[in-house]
Amino acid sequence: DSGVTQTPKHLITATGQRVTLRCSPRSGDLSVYWYQQSLDQGLQFLIQYYNGEERAKGNILERFSAQQFPDLHSELNLSSLELGDSALYFCASSEGQVGSGNTIYFGEGSWLTVV
Amino acid sequence: AQSVTQLGSHVSVSEGALVLLRCNYSSSVPPYLFWYVQYPNQGLQLLLKYTSAATLVKGINGFEAEFKKSETSFHLTKPSAHMSDAAEYFCAVNIQGAQKLVFGQGTRLTINP
Repeated sequence: DSGVTQTPKHLITATGQRVTLRCSPRSGDLSVYWYQQSLDQGLQFLIQYYNGEERAKGNILERFSAQQFPDLHSELNLSSLELGDSALYFCASSEGQVGSGNTIYFGEGSWLTVV
Repeated sequence: AQSVTQLGSHVSVSEGALVLLRCNYSSSVPPYLFWYVQYPNQGLQLLLKYTSAATLVKGINGFEAEFKKSETSFHLTKPSAHMSDAAEYFCAVNIQGAQKLVFGQGTRLTINP
């Protein structure tokens, strides 16, 4: 158990809908990261927050947004869903920022299926 | 830009044989390097990491990796494979000061009895 908690574990929704994925980082971790894992794209970095502020952005679509709240939990919002958004979405956390060699700890992921 | 390449999307070895998973990185400055393992239906678990201390890094479950700057490589090895090692392995690179960890495409390791 990494200590990173993600909900829901599985989600099935229809195209055009909006979903919210939730993440609670490890106790004491200030950084939260979101990754998308799909068969064709592999593990893609989406976005990173540090202590409530956005610090890095990767291949995140404009239909997607995220935030980190004062209690350090984070949410990833996916809207106008398309079939291609079906993937495993990981949240990860680290004590500091990854650019200092800090280890990133991953949750077990949220499986999103868009039908 | 930082990048990482894992040679071989699938590797199959016999139980008890040497495991060698290859990883090459691209970086103009010294990187931090990581190996993660993903078992079916689970998240990624850190095996080991290199942060510019010893070039030979020992990790969990008997795995180790050697940082070779001249070859820009960070290959993962284990002397004797166990059935429980069957999983997907990811190499990842982070450049000092950069705020993201970039992953390779992964190598699926199969262990034959």
